[in-house]
Amino acid sequence: DVKVTQSSRYLVKRTGEKVFLECVQDMDHENMFWYRQDPGLGLRLIYFSYDVKMKEKGDIPEGYSVSREKKERFSLILESASTNQTSMYLCASSTPSYEQYFGPGTRLTVT
Amino acid sequence: RKEVEQDPGPFNVPEGATVAFNCTYSNSASQSFFWYRQDCRKEPKLLMSVYSSGNEDGRFTAQLNRASQYISLLIRDSKLSDSATYLCVVRRNDKIIFGKGTRLHILP
Repeated sequence: DVKVTQSSRYLVKRTGEKVFLECVQDMDHENMFWYRQDPGLGLRLIYFSYDVKMKEKGDIPEGYSVSREKKERFSLILESASTNQTSMYLCASSTPSYEQYFGPGTRLTVT
Repeated sequence: RKEVEQDPGPFNVPEGATVAFNCTYSNSASQSFFWYRQDCRKEPKLLMSVYSSGNEDGRFTAQLNRASQYISLLIRDSKLSDSATYLCVVRRNDKIIFGKGTRLHILP
């Protein structure tokens, strides 16, 4: 079974803090993704990566950066957290045919 | 026009009934199609990929109509555990687009 894990299920941070969200997959997938999901807006792609040290902007990259130093790990960084970044963050990895497998999500609250 | 559109529902269906819902996509160059299910406060889970010839997995049947640019999902003999939000996903090159989902409630 594909397993995607995320470092925290729930996180509360203060405005201006730097926030790291970690994602690890165990299926040797090359593709990895970060999404956020908000009520009424659905899933929106923040960043994705096709290989180690490769990254591509998704639809809403502003205020975020990513790091992929190892194939199995894809990190999302909020450089200076703001209240409008309160959301559910979902990491996924995918097969070469883009069947995606999601982690359990991190519910981030920025106060 | 949105690239992927779904009827948000909710569809309220008695247990044992058959239910079907569609998803339309706007770009004829779309290449891959998927259905995911998402339970309340959980992550999306792949239900099935949708192939050009249509495909079936137990009580679930997915169809692709390229001419009319829609995919469909049919659930037969619905169970209470089928209650969820069903997300349509379309891929075009590197771009993966999620629909906002159709909510399904199976009623006892």
